[in-house]
This record gives sequence, structure tokens and C-alpha cells, in this order.
Amino acid sequence: KNQVEQSPQSLIILEGKNCTLQCNYTVSPFSNLRWYKQDTGRGPVSLTIMTFSENTKSNGRYTATLDADTKQSSLHITASQLSDSASYICVVTRYGNKLVFGAGTILRVKS
Amino acid sequence: NAGVTQTPKFQVLKTGQSMTLQCAQDMNHNSMYWYRQDPGMGLRLIYYSASEGTTDKGEVPNGYNVSRLNKREFSLRLESAAPSQTSVYFCASSQDPLGSTDTQYFGPGTRLTVL
Repeated sequence: KNQVEQSPQSLIILEGKNCTLQCNYTVSPFSNLRWYKQDTGRGPVSLTIMTFSENTKSNGRYTATLDADTKQSSLHITASQLSDSASYICVVTRYGNKLVFGAGTILRVKS
Repeated sequence: NAGVTQTPKFQVLKTGQSMTLQCAQDMNHNSMYWYRQDPGMGLRLIYYSASEGTTDKGEVPNGYNVSRLNKREFSLRLESAAPSQTSVYFCASSQDPLGSTDTQYFGPGTRLTVL
């Protein structure tokens, strides 16, 4: 079954600290993997998109990694800010134009 | 340049009522999508339109219909609303279809409650 599992479900960290969010998938055949940030009450916003051949992609303080062999991805946030408080969603695209969304990790950054 | 806009932002319906959710994009994108988001679950694709004049079912199409009115506009209709359709609905658009690495741009969402 094509699934995307994200962990942890929720996370609280102090401002300025780093954190890593995990995404494991069973989607096959794999086309690409995306990370989105969704602020409360808003639509998701794209952070990174990685294909099979890419194993790292950065967008400012956000760095995504992909291990296509183990079917795992992570999103690392460096020097967290209060504005990083949001839900982070991992999405895997199957060939055949099917997107499989994870349920998301809710991150709260405290001052 | 407003991106993707949705109307209304909030709506309360009674079971059996009908309504249409409107979506428009000003980025000249070819592809448009409708998703629903329920608590604790990932977004699920309801319908999509890869290009003007075409529509296809997504993962959860039952109870919904869509119209790609023109390149800019893609509407979602609930003919006879049911409590199970209580959700947040997002419209999105992209230049290229789902299988590409193109970025999807999402609207702000419509919060629908069916009593």
C-alpha cells in the first residue's frame, strides 16, 4: 500500500534550537518528494522538491535529505524562529501522477 | 498578483443543501486541483484538471462535481451536502501536471461545516 508516515506527530522546541522531522514512505514507483509548510488557517507552501537523484536540497534554514534506498526523508530546521511554528507535510509523487500526502508534523517553537 | 483565491472562506450548510466553491488563479497555470483536509489526515485529492477542458477524478470524488470554467477558474460543487463532507477544502494550481517537479500553489482554503 502506498503510504507516507511522518514522525513525530508533534514537537515543541525552544527558539534558536535545531530540529529534524522524519518522513518514511512506501510509495512506488517513486517520482519525487516534496516538503510543504502549512501555517495555521492557511494553505500549504512549498519548501523543497527532490527527485530520485537528489539527496539534499536547501531552502534557507530548511534542509531536506532523501535516501531513496531506505525510502526515508528528513527536514532539518536550523536556528528555529517563532515563525517556524507550523505543520510540515511530506508528499511523495508516484509515477502516474498520484500524490500521497503525509498527515504532517506540528512544530511549535517557544520563546 | 493574488495567486490562488477561493470563495467563500467559511460556509455552514444543512444536510441536503447544495453549494459551489469557487477557485481562481492568476498565474496562467495549466493544471488545477481540489483537495480536502481532515484532522489527523493528509490532504486528499478530490478532482483535478490537467488542462483547460479536462477533468479527472482523484482519490475521493464521490459526492462532488467540478467544472473547469476557463483556464483561470475551477469550481467544486456539492450537490447534496452530507456531514461527512465537513472539512477544509483547498484549491491549488501548477504550470505542469502532478507528475512533474513543478511547484503547486495553494489557496487559503474554505472551511465547510455540514450540520
